[in-house]
Amino acid sequence: RKEVEQDPGPFNVPEGATVAFNCTYSNSASQSFFWYRQDCRKEPKLLMSVYSSGNEDGRFTAQLNRASQYISLLIRDSKLSDSATYLCVVIPYNNNDMRFGAGTRLTVKP
Amino acid sequence: DTGVSQDPRHKITKRGQNVTFRCDPISEHNRLYWYRQTLGQGPEFLTYFQNEAQLEKSRLLSDRFSAERPKGSFSTLEIQRTEQGDSAMYLCASSPAALAGRDTQYFGPGTRLTVL
Repeated sequence: RKEVEQDPGPFNVPEGATVAFNCTYSNSASQSFFWYRQDCRKEPKLLMSVYSSGNEDGRFTAQLNRASQYISLLIRDSKLSDSATYLCVVIPYNNNDMRFGAGTRLTVKP
Repeated sequence: DTGVSQDPRHKITKRGQNVTFRCDPISEHNRLYWYRQTLGQGPEFLTYFQNEAQLEKSRLLSDRFSAERPKGSFSTLEIQRTEQGDSAMYLCASSPAALAGRDTQYFGPGTRLTVL
């Protein structure tokens, strides 16, 4: 089983749609969680950290369920510019390197 | 530009040749990381430094891979006797190390390696 698993995608949605991505992780002692965004042939960029209480940044909402070892990202009112690959990232306890999922590709169409 | 920079951006080499990539982190960041990313996959951790100390290198892919950060500033990643399977994007990231395991890593644009 992979350490971090994501929805296989791809997701193709119309502008204005709401889309949700899921991610599960295998190491129950993981301490930090993030969503990164990666555009085609570009480097990953931090989208948002994920906190146990859940957190929101504009149209983006991230949730963490430690008991189920599950992370989610919700994008409301999708824009064309949201088209990218979304990477789920976990940092194991007492560790510093990030463990990435394979990513889920989103295409928002007019 | 005060972001992470990498050089070269692209490298084409023949199988068996050695290659070296350079990474310049954000100036006030003392942690530096190397990752490899292949098509359709997320980045895969290789190694990291805190200042000049290499604190994790067990996940380097083979003994053909080595990294240095001699003065705690820029870093180099060397691949000896390249193989076609080494073709990938090599990403460097840096972080300020505010709290272990909790600080955000900022990525450079990567070096795309093609081994013929």
